[in-house]
Amino acid sequence: DSGVTQTPKHLITATGQRVTLRCSPRSGDLSVYWYQQSLDQGLQFLIQYYNGEERAKGNILERFSAQQFPDLHSELNLSSLELGDSALYFCASSEGLPSYEQYFGPGTRLTVT
Amino acid sequence: GESVGLHLPTLSVQEGDNSIINCAYSNSASDYFIWYKQESGKGPQFIIDIRSNMDKRQGQRVTVLLNKTVKHLSLQIAATQPGDSAVYFCAENTGFQKLVFGTGTRLLVSP
Repeated sequence: DSGVTQTPKHLITATGQRVTLRCSPRSGDLSVYWYQQSLDQGLQFLIQYYNGEERAKGNILERFSAQQFPDLHSELNLSSLELGDSALYFCASSEGLPSYEQYFGPGTRLTVT
Repeated sequence: GESVGLHLPTLSVQEGDNSIINCAYSNSASDYFIWYKQESGKGPQFIIDIRSNMDKRQGQRVTVLLNKTVKHLSLQIAATQPGDSAVYFCAENTGFQKLVFGTGTRLLVSP
């Protein structure tokens, strides 16, 4: 158990809908990272937050957004969902910057039908 | 929750053998590298890391080798066990505070 929690574990929704994925980092970790893992793209970095502020962006679509709250938990919002958004979404956390030794949560499996 | 992979390269070994998993990285400016293990239904798990000013680092049953000349990273697992069966990813810190992951290698260990 990495100490990173993610909810929900599974999510099934329809195209065009909006969902929110939640992540709680390990106790004491200030950085949170979001990744998407799909069959044809591998593990792709989406976005990073450090102590509430966005620090780095990767291949994140404009339909996706994230935030980190004062209690350091983070949410990833996915809107106008498409079939191709079906994937595993992982959250990871680390103590600080830079992105050394990230600890991954168990992931949320999103299925868009 | 299976992990990545329709077309992952696969390494099949016998229990007790040594395994070597290879990775080519892309950015010569990357200063830090990590190997992760992902078991079926789980998130990636940190195994071992190495900084770019080193060429070898050893852990418990694992060794990472870094060849910056050819931008190559390898993970050696000694006395491979069935519990080592998983997908292994290398990742590089490109210096922009994000990790770039390789495509992964599936390790299958048969008893």
